[in-house]
Amino acid sequence: AQKVTQAQTEISVVEKEDVTLDCVYETRDTTYYLFWYKQPPSGELVFLIRRNSFDEQNEISGRYSWNFQKSTSSFNFTITASQVVDSAVYFCALSEEDSGYSTLTFGKGTMLLVSP
Amino acid sequence: SAVISQKPSRDICQRGTSLTIQCQVDSQVTMMFWYRQQPGQSLTLIATANQGSEATYESGFVIDKFPISRPNLTFSTLTVSNMSPEDSSIYLCSVVGPLNTEAFFGQGTRLTVV
Repeated sequence: AQKVTQAQTEISVVEKEDVTLDCVYETRDTTYYLFWYKQPPSGELVFLIRRNSFDEQNEISGRYSWNFQKSTSSFNFTITASQVVDSAVYFCALSEEDSGYSTLTFGKGTMLLVSP
Repeated sequence: SAVISQKPSRDICQRGTSLTIQCQVDSQVTMMFWYRQQPGQSLTLIATANQGSEATYESGFVIDKFPISRPNLTFSTLTVSNMSPEDSSIYLCSVVGPLNTEAFFGQGTRLTVV
C-alpha cells in the first residue's frame, strides 16, 4: 500500500475557482511530519508547508489553506481563487521516525491546470 | 533555510556515457540526499550521502550505477553511470534543516539520455 496517496492525477479549473487537492497518508508512527510542495514546469520543488502530527489546527496562508485530519489520515490543500500561476504539480509528502524525519516519502503528485 | 545549488541544471547525454551532478549547500549539513523523478512520476530516494562514510542506497539503486561522493559537509556529487534512456529523469539534491523536520531541495538536474 502506498504511504502517501494523491488520488487526483490531474485537475483542471478555470481561473478564480477554488480547488482542493487531496492527500491521504499511512503511518504507524505517532510523531510524523506532512509536507506540501509545488513543482512548476521549471522543475524545482517549492516548499509550501510542514505540519507535525500533533498540530491539527488548520492553516491559512493567503489563498492557500490546509486541512489536517488525523481521524481520516488526510492532509488536504485548498487554493482559493486560483490563478494561472498556480498551474504546477503539487506533491504531498510524509517524513517518519524511522528515517530520523530526514527523508520524505512522496505521493505521485497532482497536476493542477488553471486556465484563464 | 538552506540554499542549494545544483549543476548542471540540464543536460542531454549519449547512452553509455556518465554524468556527474554537483550539489553545493550554503551551510554545513550532516546528511545530503539524492532523489530521482522519472518523467510524470513522483520523487524516489536514491541514497543518503554522509560525510566520511559510504552512501546508503535505497532498494533498487546500486553504487556501481549511482556512485556518490561527499568530500565535505557542504558538497556532494551523484554520478549516473553508463546511461541509458531509462535514466532520463530529474535528479534532485536535498538537505534537511537543523531541526531535521524540514527538507530543502535544489532546483534539480533535468537529464535526457538519447
